[in-house]
Amino acid sequence: DQQVKQNSPSLSVQEGRISILNCDYTNSMFDYFLWYKKYPAEGPTFLISISSIKDKNEDGRFTVFLNKSAKHLSLHIVPSQPGDSAVYFCAASAGFSARQLTFGSGTQLTVLP
Amino acid sequence: SAVISQKPSRDICQRGTSLTIQCQVDSQVTMMFWYRQQPGQSLTLIATANQGSEATYESGFVIDKFPISRPNLTFSTLTVSNMSPEDSSIYLCSGAEGTNTEAFFGQGTRLTVV
Repeated sequence: DQQVKQNSPSLSVQEGRISILNCDYTNSMFDYFLWYKKYPAEGPTFLISISSIKDKNEDGRFTVFLNKSAKHLSLHIVPSQPGDSAVYFCAASAGFSARQLTFGSGTQLTVLP
Repeated sequence: SAVISQKPSRDICQRGTSLTIQCQVDSQVTMMFWYRQQPGQSLTLIATANQGSEATYESGFVIDKFPISRPNLTFSTLTVSNMSPEDSSIYLCSGAEGTNTEAFFGQGTRLTVV
C-alpha cells in the first residue's frame, strides 16, 4: 500500500520553462511534506518542505503547493536549469516530524538545454 | 547541516554472508535512521537507530536480519545478515539534528548479492 505516490516516473522540460512535479498521499495523519533531490551515486538532499498549516512555501526558484482536501502537493521549479536534472522524491511524515519519512517512488526530471 | 560519511559505497557479496555498513556524522545528531531503496522503488524506512538501546524496526524488518548499533550520537552501523539476492539494494543512513529539522542523508551503499 503506497501511502505516497508519484505517478510520473519521468518528466522532460526545456531550460527556462517551468517544471511541475506532482505527489499524492493517502494517509490523513501526514502533516509535514518534503521534497528531496537525488543525483546518481549520491544520497538525497533536502530541497524544500511544507507543513499542513500552510498551502504554499517558496524558496528561490522552488515553490511547493499543498492541497490538503485533495491530498496533493506539487513542486514548481521556475525557471528550470540543466543542473536541476535529477530524481525528485516527495516524502511525508506525521506529528510534524521531519525525520521518519515515507517516500514516493521518485520522478526523474530532465531539463533540456 | 551536518555531513554523513557512509561506507562502503558499494559492495558485491556472496549469498549467505553478512555485510556491515557504517555511517559517521561530523557532529552529534539527535536521531539516525536506516533506509533501503530496492531497484526501481522508493526509499523504505528500515529502523530508527537509538543511541545506547535497541533500534526500533518498521513492519517487515527484524533485528535478526538487520542488526543495528548506535554506540554514540555520531555513529551507527547496519548489518545485512545471511544475505540473499533479494537484499540487493541501496542502503542509506540519515540523521536529524533536532526536533524540527529536516533529515539529511549519507551517499548510500549499493549492495549486490550474487
